[in-house]
Amino acid sequence: GAGVSQSPRYKVAKRGQDVALRCDPISGHVSLFWYQQALGQGPEFLTYFQNEAQLDKSGLPSDRFFAERPEGSVSTLKIQRTQQEDSAVYLCASSSSQYRGMFGNQPQHFGDGTRLSIL
Amino acid sequence: SQQGEEDPQALSIQEGENATMNCSYKTSINNLQWYRQNSGRGLVHLILIRSNEREKHSGRLRVTLDTSKKSSSLLITASRAADTASYFCATDASSGTGRRALTFGSGTRLQVQP
Repeated sequence: GAGVSQSPRYKVAKRGQDVALRCDPISGHVSLFWYQQALGQGPEFLTYFQNEAQLDKSGLPSDRFFAERPEGSVSTLKIQRTQQEDSAVYLCASSSSQYRGMFGNQPQHFGDGTRLSIL
Repeated sequence: SQQGEEDPQALSIQEGENATMNCSYKTSINNLQWYRQNSGRGLVHLILIRSNEREKHSGRLRVTLDTSKKSSSLLITASRAADTASYFCATDASSGTGRRALTFGSGTRLQVQP
């Protein structure tokens, strides 16, 4: 497709259930990011992949959060034993470039997100 | 945690007026980017300004960057009802072996009245 695709768009789960969120980045994009966005706030970084390698997972809030990108394209964010505080919009973004030195990275292309509600 | 603070948090103007949003940040950066988010949608990249640039234009958008004050502003001229959205600044402080992700501010919610 032309853009970043995320599924499902909405997910409702009961507290304690496991959920899996999928991201299809733009074809050929090397970099893939997951962000969490609380209502009325800006996105907050969760984790970053360069191809299939997870280079930064410093933003994952607990060991209940796990992300993978086994073939360097599609990525899945899994949350185990969900809690009410996990309710948020989860955004995926991809970017074409690797690190470019002092000028940083290319802009990121975002999907429309998955709105997760934990009851 | 969010690096940027945006001001104002909310802004309501009439169509045709100019809208100015400000962003302050805390650490040294490689570039600063502005994104727009319509309700229920993802973020759309608007403009990127590098750390060695002071001003940049794109259509009705004008961005300034003052690295000595660690601040940036976004000006939207001749606003339209379709400009109604939330606007976020994001800083890129990436390094070769370190962090690559953007750090976002808390956003300015712009309402343009027709």
